[in-house]
Amino acid sequence: KAGVTQTPRYLIKTRGQQVTLSCSPISGHRSVSWYQQTPGQGLQFLFEYFSETQRNKGNFPGRFSGRQFSNSRSEMNVSTLELGDSALYLCASREREYRDEQFFGPGTRLTVL
Amino acid sequence: QQPVQSPQAVILREGEDAVINCSSSKALYSVHWYRQKHGEAPVFLMILLKGGEQKGHEKISASFNEKKQQSSLYLTASQLSYSGTYFCGTEFYNQGGKLIFGQGTELSVKP
Repeated sequence: KAGVTQTPRYLIKTRGQQVTLSCSPISGHRSVSWYQQTPGQGLQFLFEYFSETQRNKGNFPGRFSGRQFSNSRSEMNVSTLELGDSALYLCASREREYRDEQFFGPGTRLTVL
Repeated sequence: QQPVQSPQAVILREGEDAVINCSSSKALYSVHWYRQKHGEAPVFLMILLKGGEQKGHEKISASFNEKKQQSSLYLTASQLSYSGTYFCGTEFYNQGGKLIFGQGTELSVKP
């Protein structure tokens, strides 16, 4: 099976812009989670989708949103970008809705200038 | 709510052993362990479930103390390839699907 793919891999934006990141999970996986990784904060949970429903959300402002489509692909959107949003954004998929191993994608490196 | 990992960093010589600990203040549904090498995505190592079930790589061993809400990852006879940052992730009963990661333990294996 193909692994988790994320596009784009690198992105440079300026403050105030918005961005959309995409994640394609492993075939058959219905759960997709998103994480923000920065050197100072580690891996921070953003949100998790299962069968098109957002089941869990982390402590991030409303500028961060996401959705999942019927084919399990997921998108994450960040509006009104701030310098502090510069980070590696990782998505991970798993087959079952909980208590199951996650498979991470390579991430999207977002730089906000 | 974030689990606490210890130690924060450890340096080993090839062949030495190490233990990485993960502690939570809340009752756990499951504990996950991942390793991330620099510039790469985290890779799954082990999952330990309440009730004793566990799944993971054959060469990795870990324990889960359900009473203390603690987990330990045991790295024996370390190899250079073991170097990286190790993260534990915790899942709680009423938040199934939400994985909260610790701050990570940086492991460096020297020849």
